[in-house]
Amino acid sequence: GESVGLHLPTLSVQEGDNSIINCAYSNSASDYFIWYKQESGKGPQFIIDIRSNMDKRQGQRVTVLLNKTVKHLSLQIAATQPGDSAVYFCAEGSGNNRKLIWGLGTSLAVNP
Amino acid sequence: DAGITQSPRYKITETGRQVTLMCHQTWSHSYMFWYRQDLGHGLRLIYYSAAADITDKGEVSDGYVVSRSKTENFPLTLESATRSQTSVYFCASTRDSWQPQHFGDGTRLSIL
Repeated sequence: GESVGLHLPTLSVQEGDNSIINCAYSNSASDYFIWYKQESGKGPQFIIDIRSNMDKRQGQRVTVLLNKTVKHLSLQIAATQPGDSAVYFCAEGSGNNRKLIWGLGTSLAVNP
Repeated sequence: DAGITQSPRYKITETGRQVTLMCHQTWSHSYMFWYRQDLGHGLRLIYYSAAADITDKGEVSDGYVVSRSKTENFPLTLESATRSQTSVYFCASTRDSWQPQHFGDGTRLSIL
């Protein structure tokens, strides 16, 4: 059931600034990592993914960094826009296991 | 493009009733998934399917049944709904384990 009073971590940024959303993953054997964006009333939308043989991958305005030593994943959004306001989830997977382990999400609020 | 669609978008039912949530994808993806999303728990896997007639349990499968007679459809059935199954349900699909999962817009299910 729901946890009363539980709030997602929130990151508040000014429009035009860069945003960094962090995620600590749990399984040292995980070799696939992925970021999703979820807007209110919609399903998660794929942003970017990275495999464990890489430590950085860039997309359009987004960069994912992977630090396997400390099991840390980050999503950087350049020149954040109001349309970037959403909840962002990281997820990890391993090998042929198609199951993903999901983080609890971070809410990004972009102030105009 | 049609992508992945879920129906109904909203459903209200009573405890003890059977309810089926539908998921249809047009990509011919092999893998399909059902998740539930609850505050404080993030996305939790209910069931997944690697191909037609192949299904496997996720972490919260009790009280749910799935079938996959055709590649494009993956219905989820609550055999005897309970209040604890009130949630938002998401269906997803992917071509293989190294590709992102693509999500539908969810079914918001309330059990009274």
